[in-house]
Formats: sequence, C-alpha cells, structure tokens
Amino acid sequence: QKEVEQDPGPLSVPEGAIVSLNCTYSNSAFQYFMWYRQYSRKGPELLMYTYSSGNKEDGRFTAQVDKSSKYISLFIRDSQPSDSATYLCAMSDRIQGAQKLVFGQGTRLTINP
Amino acid sequence: DTAVSQTPKYLVTQMGNDKSIKCEQNLGHDTMYWYKQDSKKFLKIMFSYNNKELIINETVPNRFSPKSPDKAHLNLHINSLELGDSAVYFCASSPPWSDSPLHFGNGTRLTVT
Repeated sequence: QKEVEQDPGPLSVPEGAIVSLNCTYSNSAFQYFMWYRQYSRKGPELLMYTYSSGNKEDGRFTAQVDKSSKYISLFIRDSQPSDSATYLCAMSDRIQGAQKLVFGQGTRLTINP
Repeated sequence: DTAVSQTPKYLVTQMGNDKSIKCEQNLGHDTMYWYKQDSKKFLKIMFSYNNKELIINETVPNRFSPKSPDKAHLNLHINSLELGDSAVYFCASSPPWSDSPLHFGNGTRLTVT
C-alpha cells in the first residue's frame, strides 16, 4: 500500500462547477499537508499549505485536513479553464532541517468552457 | 529572476553515457532537493542537502551522485545511464524553518535511448 493514495482521474467538469479533490494517507506522523498545482511541462507550484487538522481558505480554494480519518481535501469553487492542471497532494514530517515530502500520484483536472 | 532554475531543460542521451543536471536557487534557502517524476506523474524524493550536507538519501542507485558546491547549487550526476532513468528530474529548495513549503524548478526531461 502506498503511503499516500490519490485518484489519478482524469476528472473533467464544466466551468463554474465545484471541484473536490481528495487524498488518503497511512502515516500518522505526517504533520504538514500541501496541495501543489502542476501545469504541463512545468514544476509543481504550491497552492495551499496547512499544519495539522482543520480548514484553510484562500480565494476560490479551500483545503481541509482530517487527521483522525487520515484524509485531506481540496475544494475549488467557481472553477475556471485556467484551473486545468494536475493537482498533487503532498505531506511530510520534518527531518533535520528538511521536509521529506511524500506525494500522491496527482489528479489530472480539466475545466471545460 | 527565476527562483529555482535547472539546466538543461531537455536531455536526450544514449544508454551507458554519463550526464549531469545543474540546479541553482536565488531564494537564499538552506535546503535543496532532487525529486524524480516518472511517466505516471508520481513524484519521489531522491536526495536533500542542507547547507552542503547530505541529509536525505533515499534508495537510489549508486550511479546517481548529488553534489552541492555551495548552498545555492545542487547538481546531479548520473553514470552509466539506463532506459529506466528516463523521467523528469525536479530540483527544489526550502528555507530551514518547519512551516516552509518547497519551491520547485521547472524540471529537466531526461530521455535515455
């Protein structure tokens, strides 16, 4: 079993829809939870960063962490075609001044105009 | 003014050759990383350096050797390239404090023929 499981999709929704992306994990030591967005031929860019359980909102994006269920989510409201990308969840436990990020496989999202 | 830059962007080479990828960051970060992304978009950590000291060394063949001449640079040298080494290699950096996400470069797409 992988440490982090993420449905690779692909996921295709119409513009304006609410998108829900999810990951589950098995390592209870993870403390930091992130969502990265990756456009084709580009590096991952950080979207949301949370520490421990709870919700965090940033514009149209909301990240949720439920440590008791080992489950994290990213919600995108009023989705736009420019949101079309691969979304990667990542989580880590800190080691000696570095973060050993463990990534999910990524969900490929397409927003149709 | 790219934060994390990698060269070359594309690398096509034959099996058995030796090649290097270079990475530089101008963010003043202490920690740098190499990640490998396979054809299924799965990102996995290979190495991490903190202030030129190797602190994360995942199960990677000895043919891969990172080198950090200073804290702003982390290079990756690969000996005796194999077909299975074909992937996108991402460099990343982060500051030393715990609530700090990684900043990724745009990757080097390596194709071994």
